[in-house]
Amino acid sequence: DIQMTQSPSSLSAFVGDRVTITCRASQSITTFLNWYQQKPGKAPKLLIYGASSLQSGVPSRFSGSGSGTEFTLTISSLQSEDFATYYCQQTYIMPRTFGGGTKVGIK
Amino acid sequence: EVQLVESGGRLVQPGGSLRLSCATSGFTFSHYAMNWVRQAPGKGLEWVSTISSSGGSTYYADSVKGRFTISRDTSRSTLYLQMDSLRGDDTARYFCAKDAVPNVGFCVSPTCYGKGGSDSWGQGTLVTVSS
Repeated sequence: DIQMTQSPSSLSAFVGDRVTITCRASQSITTFLNWYQQKPGKAPKLLIYGASSLQSGVPSRFSGSGSGTEFTLTISSLQSEDFATYYCQQTYIMPRTFGGGTKVGIK
Repeated sequence: EVQLVESGGRLVQPGGSLRLSCATSGFTFSHYAMNWVRQAPGKGLEWVSTISSSGGSTYYADSVKGRFTISRDTSRSTLYLQMDSLRGDDTARYFCAKDAVPNVGFCVSPTCYGKGGSDSWGQGTLVTVSS
């Protein structure tokens, strides 16, 4: 199985900060990498698919990059509504493994 | 508007069985692969199972293989998860999720229809396994 490792597991930031989250795959997944945002008590929401494609309706301050085994999710200017937990998931091969999550909190 | 509504979660004893349902609307159910994803209290997301659009291909996490069975009823636009031999570590909120890319035509492999991730999710149903 492909293992997905996210870092950091948590971070604190100010509104307006640039935030970067990293996801590493245990083997190449080309660009079959998706990012989700989850707020407490809510279902996950798809932000980025195919490593870098922005899902419809998602603000442009979110961006994704990477290929192979290393990927990043960047929030260019953190907003109050962005405080949440973020997960990466590979869909290159079954099982469709998730990363452990990154909780973004308020500093 | 795409809607996914899970039901069937409840308190069940270890070793017991449960069937979860996910009623869908707002899209052509027969064109999309569907997934179950779970989240234990205070923990991260865990992929559980995927079923192809036709129901002909199913995939499971090792943690549930041989105990859970995913299925779908196109006439009812409903996804199911039959859960047998339940254990305490199956306690979680179970979400159903729709793949973004249609599993039709030339897009027959999970690598193809998984490319777009899961673009719609239900709110989940809580399964608690405890004596």
